[in-house]
Amino acid sequence: VQLVQSGADVKKPGASVKVSCKASGYTFTGYNLHWVRQAPGQGLEWMGWVNPNSGDTYYGQNFHGRVSMTRDTSISTAYMELNSLISDDTAVYFCARGSVTRYFEPTHFDYWGQGSLVTVSS
Amino acid sequence: EIVLTQSPATLSLSPGERATLSCRASQSVSDYLAWYQQRPGQAPRLLIYDASNRATGIPARFSGSGSGTDFTLTISSLEPEDFAVYYCQQRNIWPLTFGGGTKVEIK
Repeated sequence: VQLVQSGADVKKPGASVKVSCKASGYTFTGYNLHWVRQAPGQGLEWMGWVNPNSGDTYYGQNFHGRVSMTRDTSISTAYMELNSLISDDTAVYFCARGSVTRYFEPTHFDYWGQGSLVTVSS
Repeated sequence: EIVLTQSPATLSLSPGERATLSCRASQSVSDYLAWYQQRPGQAPRLLIYDASNRATGIPARFSGSGSGTDFTLTISSLEPEDFAVYYCQQRNIWPLTFGGGTKVEIK
């Protein structure tokens, strides 16, 4: 199992960023893909998930209206787009596979991408 | 949301010593608690899930215990590669939440 993410990005405040996560080594549609971020020197913050089979999504309250998680099953890739960026969005963004497969059941994460640093700066 | 409080914030130990890390939840999470290890510049790695189950490939020196609101991660004898930050995470209810982390550093 591998999750390979897109590279680092620098954005201006107010812009949007889209991070990709390409999965391999397992059935892409069998597991929800989650996004977790980590600000510099800080802890982990869960953002939400996308179900690669149905396209259903579920977002954390902190990101409602500002985040969009999508997927392209033809290339086994999930995406996280965050809009209206502010400096506090500067963080490493991780995708992670949810290991519990029962629909809508909360999960832990058994595989993680390497992380994508997004820097928001004017 | 459920708040997870980890203690201590930093643990200073020598290789070969036993490490005991604590995670306390603001309300019961049953046994739906996981532990992760994060080394500098790396993604977190799942160590323990559902309070006491070791993830695939995790050495037996790592063990987890607890239920309800109080959980413990024990590293029986610290190896050099175990000096890292450890996070707990609950999956009892949405939203998923993490503790603030415990840094295990070399004394």
